[in-house]
Amino acid sequence: KAGVTQTPRYLIKTRGQQVTLSCSPISGHRSVSWYQQTPGQGLQFLFEYFSETQRNKGNFPGRFSGRQFSNSRSEMNVSTLELGDSALYLCASRLADFHEQYFGPGTRLTVT
Amino acid sequence: ILNVEQSPQSLHVQEGDSTNFTCSFPSSNFYALHWYRWETAKSPEALFVMTLNGDEKKKGRISATLNTKEGYSYLYIKGSQPEDSATYLCAFKHAGNMLTFGGGTRLMVKP
Repeated sequence: KAGVTQTPRYLIKTRGQQVTLSCSPISGHRSVSWYQQTPGQGLQFLFEYFSETQRNKGNFPGRFSGRQFSNSRSEMNVSTLELGDSALYLCASRLADFHEQYFGPGTRLTVT
Repeated sequence: ILNVEQSPQSLHVQEGDSTNFTCSFPSSNFYALHWYRWETAKSPEALFVMTLNGDEKKKGRISATLNTKEGYSYLYIKGSQPEDSATYLCAFKHAGNMLTFGGGTRLMVKP
């Protein structure tokens, strides 16, 4: 069974640009969550999608948005990039509530 | 803002030592407590999902206990091996299914 995949793995953008990251969950998993990991803040929850609906959103500005498609693939978009958006972005999928989450390898975003 | 605290922040042990870490979380609105192991250059790997007060879970040499009434969980590693070197994260799942992660305990096991 293929694991969670994320593309691209590495990305360099400049301030003010926007970026879209992609996540393909494990087959059969309908829940996809996104996290941001920075050295100072640790791992922080961005949002969760389930069956194409956003179920939860973390404490991030509106520049961070996402969506989920009917095949459960998810995208995350960050508009008007700031230097502080440089981070590792992880997505994770799970089968159902109270099940384990499986993480992807992450996308390392650098904003210059 | 939920507070999930892990201690210690880092730990150096010798191969063969047994060790344990603590995760403290709010005792109200408890849904579940997750433990993950995160090795350098890899993705976080789920260890346990614990939902009931008094839960004890075990996977090989690693075990965990849960006390939801007082808001803490312990992770134990028996006979640490160099391959156990990683950051161990706990995450508190509360109302709305959001996971709030602790800062992690970085374990280094010397051969």
